[in-house]
Amino acid sequence: AQKVTQAQTEISVVEKEDVTLDCVYETRDTTYYLFWYKQPPSGELVFLIRRNSFDEQNEISGRYSWNFQKSTSSFNFTITASQVVDSAVYFCALSELYGGATNKLIFGTGTLLAVQP
Amino acid sequence: DADVTQTPRNRITKTGKRIMLECSQTKGHDRMYWYRQDPGLGLRLIYYSFDVKDINKGEISDGYSVSRQAQAKFSLSLESAIPNQTALYFCATRAGQGFNEQFFGPGTRLTVL
Repeated sequence: AQKVTQAQTEISVVEKEDVTLDCVYETRDTTYYLFWYKQPPSGELVFLIRRNSFDEQNEISGRYSWNFQKSTSSFNFTITASQVVDSAVYFCALSELYGGATNKLIFGTGTLLAVQP
Repeated sequence: DADVTQTPRNRITKTGKRIMLECSQTKGHDRMYWYRQDPGLGLRLIYYSFDVKDINKGEISDGYSVSRQAQAKFSLSLESAIPNQTALYFCATRAGQGFNEQFFGPGTRLTVL
């Protein structure tokens, strides 16, 4: 069965520190997508990135970077030089090609990141 | 204007009351979803719809019903609200075919007393 595990419930860092949010997934499918969403204190869900199972290249977008490793079924998210505005709950999610016709998202339980000034 | 809107944004109701949460989108997407978020549980799928004539149950549909009134509108109803339905509810849309990301509304915070 498909599953997404975010073992870090809460992380607290001081501004300018680097921080990595872990995501481990389980799936029996060979074709799937992984996503990261951000939920700031205001509550909305903001899409950050989508990565397919055939593309293991790391991606960098400004201070954000993502490390996808199929060998360890992980899709970790690193924020470099964290800022207070990065404080949010971050969700990792999985979508399978054959997980029913829904292409539904299976969410992890989220990691609350608190960046202290 | 927001692409995905939800009304109301906050609602407090009593056990046994019927309540409807509404979702509208201007993205032109055919696929719409309802999720609920509970602390420590992430988001779980309640119902989803691929078009006006296609409604499907998600993993936690008991106690809920939905209506897809038009491509742009997808409503979630609690026929007889109970306290354990207190949660944050999200509507989402997605362009059909493939693995496009879902776009979420701002959420409705529902409290059932």
